[in-house]
Amino acid sequence: NAGVTQTPKFRVLKTGQSMTLLCAQDMNHEYMYWYRQDPGMGLRLIHYSVGEGTTAKGEVPDGYNVSRLKKQNFLLGLESAAPSQTSVYFCASSYPSRLAGFYNEQFFGPGTRLTVL
Amino acid sequence: GQQVMQIPQYQHVQEGEDFTTYCNSSTTLSNIQWYKQRPGGHPVFLIQLVKSGEVKKQKRLTFQFGEAKKNSSLHITATQTTDVGTYFCADDKIIFGKGTRLHILP
Repeated sequence: NAGVTQTPKFRVLKTGQSMTLLCAQDMNHEYMYWYRQDPGMGLRLIHYSVGEGTTAKGEVPDGYNVSRLKKQNFLLGLESAAPSQTSVYFCASSYPSRLAGFYNEQFFGPGTRLTVL
Repeated sequence: GQQVMQIPQYQHVQEGEDFTTYCNSSTTLSNIQWYKQRPGGHPVFLIQLVKSGEVKKQKRLTFQFGEAKKNSSLHITATQTTDVGTYFCADDKIIFGKGTRLHILP
């Protein structure tokens, strides 16, 4: 099993350009998440999905869109990149747990380092 | 806003000393998770605590969930260089704390 994979690993964009980050998981997990990580800010949830065809906003959703057309894939889109979106983006997946109260152990991908000039 | 507060933000310890990081919430949590992120790496799940007053051990790591389920701690006994990294807690809304960065001095 590859676990959670992210494409690309690095990317440099100019302000106003668009791009899509791809996350794929082969663990048949129901839930998937996108986070951004900035120095001193920890991990902040952008969007998440609790199943194929469903998405929901997290803490910092502005400037991002997501789609979950297939259970194994979760796409994060930046329509018009801004320097404030320079960050490391992590995707994660998990399966639901009634014992855990909904959210369970998350498996993270290796991250995508995005720089917006 | 941030639901869980983590302290301290940074900790420098001599190798062999103990280390503790704390996670505090203003609300009662149904569960809390702990993750470790090595420098340049991605977060890796360590443990999930669900029960009031729960204490779990993983080798030199001891995790506690408070009686009121509003706070948690991670204690590392006799730190080693492999313990270097940032330790995060995450609440039941999957909101992460800002983390505690552990530096080990040889």
